[in-house]
Amino acid sequence: DAKTTQPPSMDCAEGRAANLPCNHSTISGNEYVYWYRQIHSQGPQYIIHGLKNNETNEMASLIITEDRKSSTLILPHATLRDTAVYYCIVRVGNQFYFGTGTSLTVIP
Amino acid sequence: GAVVSQHPSRVICKSGTSVKIECRSLDFQATTMFWYRQFPKQSLMLMATSNEGSKATYEQGVEKDKFLINHASLTLSTLTVTSAHPEDSSFYICSASHPRQVREETQYFGPGTRLLVL
Repeated sequence: DAKTTQPPSMDCAEGRAANLPCNHSTISGNEYVYWYRQIHSQGPQYIIHGLKNNETNEMASLIITEDRKSSTLILPHATLRDTAVYYCIVRVGNQFYFGTGTSLTVIP
Repeated sequence: GAVVSQHPSRVICKSGTSVKIECRSLDFQATTMFWYRQFPKQSLMLMATSNEGSKATYEQGVEKDKFLINHASLTLSTLTVTSAHPEDSSFYICSASHPRQVREETQYFGPGTRLLVL
């Protein structure tokens, strides 16, 4: 079963930052948080992952709270192509259990 | 890097026939691959974990005799849907675990295979 909860949907204006929250209150100390996104009828695309420190790559930034019970994925300048379902995942053993994700719609 | 392919991308078959789906890691070796199923407007559901050279581990409720998994090499895993029925129509997605470090294994997903059973 998924160890994360996310809001079902969000809207974001094109060019603005999209902040997607995720709760993972039962996360263990050595478990990573992963973010993926799925554009309609495609396989999920890896975005970023982290353990306790904030992470940034060319796609996004990941902010993890100090108690590690929640995190936020930030897309700094959302484009229409960022419209997708975003999944926050905490690995269980070596398996990923997907929750329902957040459907992000970027509005022109 | 970290590209995973699937073949075919879509397949239509008659009820009662078997269908094989291939999953390949193109630029890395994956000791572990995973198979998921996704129904319309639903999230991905893990079906099984495929380990190279050993038997797959199936999630609860997934019939191992119906969904045959073979992981014969470090770059190829196959899923065979045996005696397919219309209720098996779904989007099947594989992933391969990229072994950076043991705890940091990141999964990279294939593009998916859409199966339609008539």
